Amino acid sequence: DAMVIQNPRYQVTQFGKPVTLSCSQTLNHNVMYWYQQKSSQAPKLLFHYYDKDFNNEADTPDNFQSRRPNTSFCFLDIRSPGLGDAAMYLCATSRVFGTSVADTQYFGPGTRLTVL
Amino acid sequence: GIQVEQSPPDLILQEGANSTLRCNFSDSVNNLQWFHQNPWGQLINLFYIPSGTKQNGRLSATTVATERYSLLYISSSQTTDSGVYFCAVEQGRGSTLGRLYFGRGTQLTVWP
Repeated sequence: DAMVIQNPRYQVTQFGKPVTLSCSQTLNHNVMYWYQQKSSQAPKLLFHYYDKDFNNEADTPDNFQSRRPNTSFCFLDIRSPGLGDAAMYLCATSRVFGTSVADTQYFGPGTRLTVL
Repeated sequence: GIQVEQSPPDLILQEGANSTLRCNFSDSVNNLQWFHQNPWGQLINLFYIPSGTKQNGRLSATTVATERYSLLYISSSQTTDSGVYFCAVEQGRGSTLGRLYFGRGTQLTVWP
């Protein structure tokens, strides 16, 4: 089945120790998104890639970076995790047509990050 | 930015009951999606519904774009329906196309 895969499902890191979360997709969608979701809150978009074009949200901290080496993979790097970065990180994909139509967004199962 | 409001914030039902969840939005949108977040945290897409009515089994959704609201109907609820239901709207152009604005969700609990 075509899907969005995230690894690992659970990640524990130490305060200040860099961590990388990965996302892959078999849907061949041209857009990939990274969201942060804290307890009892809605998902918050961090950034997204439209093909190879990176689009950062204005309020995403510099501590968060992303890479998309090819269509299928996207990575979220947290350079120096703080206690406030503990959250669920969700990857999503969608197909966008031209400049005016975006299709359904599909989410991966998420990576739950704990910062000690 | 666009405001998305969901109601009610919490809903507790007995198994077999019906329910209606509402989503209001403050501006015109390209599309609207309903998601169910299960207890393990995964967001499952339920409907992509910029306008009109769609049905999928016990669930149906209606969006009235001109009046800026959408409704999600759950009939004969089951315990597996428990979780958080999110409404999200999209109104981007160009590089912001596809960017979703989420409501705060409705927490649904279904008791046996």
